[in-house]
Amino acid sequence: DAGITQSPRYKITETGRQVTLMCHQTWSHSYMFWYRQDLGHGLRLIYYSAAADITDKGEVPDGYVVSRSKTENFPLTLESATRSQTSVYFCASSESSSPNSPLHFGNGTRLTVT
Amino acid sequence: AQSVTQPDIHITVSEGASLELRCNYSYGATPYLFWYVQSPGQGLQLLLKYFSGDTLVQGIKGFEAEFKRSQSSFNLRKPSVHWSDAAEYFCAVGARGSQGNLIFGKGTKLSVKP
Repeated sequence: DAGITQSPRYKITETGRQVTLMCHQTWSHSYMFWYRQDLGHGLRLIYYSAAADITDKGEVPDGYVVSRSKTENFPLTLESATRSQTSVYFCASSESSSPNSPLHFGNGTRLTVT
Repeated sequence: AQSVTQPDIHITVSEGASLELRCNYSYGATPYLFWYVQSPGQGLQLLLKYFSGDTLVQGIKGFEAEFKRSQSSFNLRKPSVHWSDAAEYFCAVGARGSQGNLIFGKGTKLSVKP
């Protein structure tokens, strides 16, 4: 089925390890986003991408790295995981830059850093 | 700066009762406004959106929302709640001309009593 898929659904890692969360969309949407969801904070934007090879920081980018070599993929890497990065991570895509274009969300990756 | 406030963290209503979830925003001009719903273990799904025109907007699943500029509010309503409506609801605001970057409220969790 077409859509936006995230993998893995669950991940446990240790402090200091590198971990990559994957996001793949089949709509050829230009824009892709990474959010983290924490209790009491709602969703906060980590990074976004307007097109392949174009990325920009969101509200909480520290400790994260993104790349977008292909339109359909937007991986998020935690270079040295910390406990404060324990969260649920959501990837989203949208067709255009206008807020008129709705966000389509994946089902999330629950990351636990021990 | 834009901000969104959802004053109610958790609301419980009886099945068949009416529902109103509150959302207040802070933005200098007329914003784009959204309501998203998140079922357990799922990503967010767009319920409805407001950009301009009629201040009462209809969404999916029988939801509606009313934009009140004088109160900086965009409250979500449903006349008769079903048990399947139990979920978390997020209000979001987007700025005109932005890169699709939404600011989300912290969410309201809805429980439905039989």
